[in-house]
Amino acid sequence: GENVEQHPSTLSVQEGDSAVIKCTYSDSASNYFPWYKQELGKRPQLIIDIRSNVGEKKDQRIAVTLNKTAKHFSLHITETQPEDSAVYFCAASSGGSNYKLTFGKGTLLTVNP
Amino acid sequence: ETGVTQSPTHLIKTRGQQVTLRCSSQSGHNTVSWYQQALGQGPQFIFQYYREEENGRGNFPPRFSGLQFPNYSSELNVNALELDDSALYLCASSLAFTQNTEAFFGQGTRLTVV
Repeated sequence: GENVEQHPSTLSVQEGDSAVIKCTYSDSASNYFPWYKQELGKRPQLIIDIRSNVGEKKDQRIAVTLNKTAKHFSLHITETQPEDSAVYFCAASSGGSNYKLTFGKGTLLTVNP
Repeated sequence: ETGVTQSPTHLIKTRGQQVTLRCSSQSGHNTVSWYQQALGQGPQFIFQYYREEENGRGNFPPRFSGLQFPNYSSELNVNALELDDSALYLCASSLAFTQNTEAFFGQGTRLTVV
């Protein structure tokens, strides 16, 4: 089955700096790659996603890149703010008729004022 | 808010007992997936229901079972609870399982097994 590795497990940056989180996946059939933000005690919320026919997607301060050949995708947050502090999860969908999401173990991002 | 609601929000059970968790999917969504999130880990896929039928299952034993009702709401049942079943249980609803549409998560049920 699919396996998603996520790095780093913790990331601390100064307000205004950029943050990058990287994920690799194993199943070449995966074609959907969402990123979720989870604040303490709350539900995971989708912040951005990318599909396999696209190499890069941007939404304001957040961008995601996908390299299908290397099977890795990354989340980029620019001009970080304290409210960006949370746990971020990457995930991959196995594709086909099953919408199972396989998640990475998460990255705790701390943005210091 | 996503429109996906789960009940109860918190639950404490004793080892060996049975538990039922409930999920009301977002209006118009016909697919519900259940995930188990242990502390400090990413969510792990338990199973998915589409039009009242199980449509895919993760690496969980048969004592984890589910139902989906005609209104697309869903239940997760866990029998013979073990201490390791303590986790946040999340359900996610989506519109169509054949397309990679966005999954909206509920707020979860925090289950503690003592």
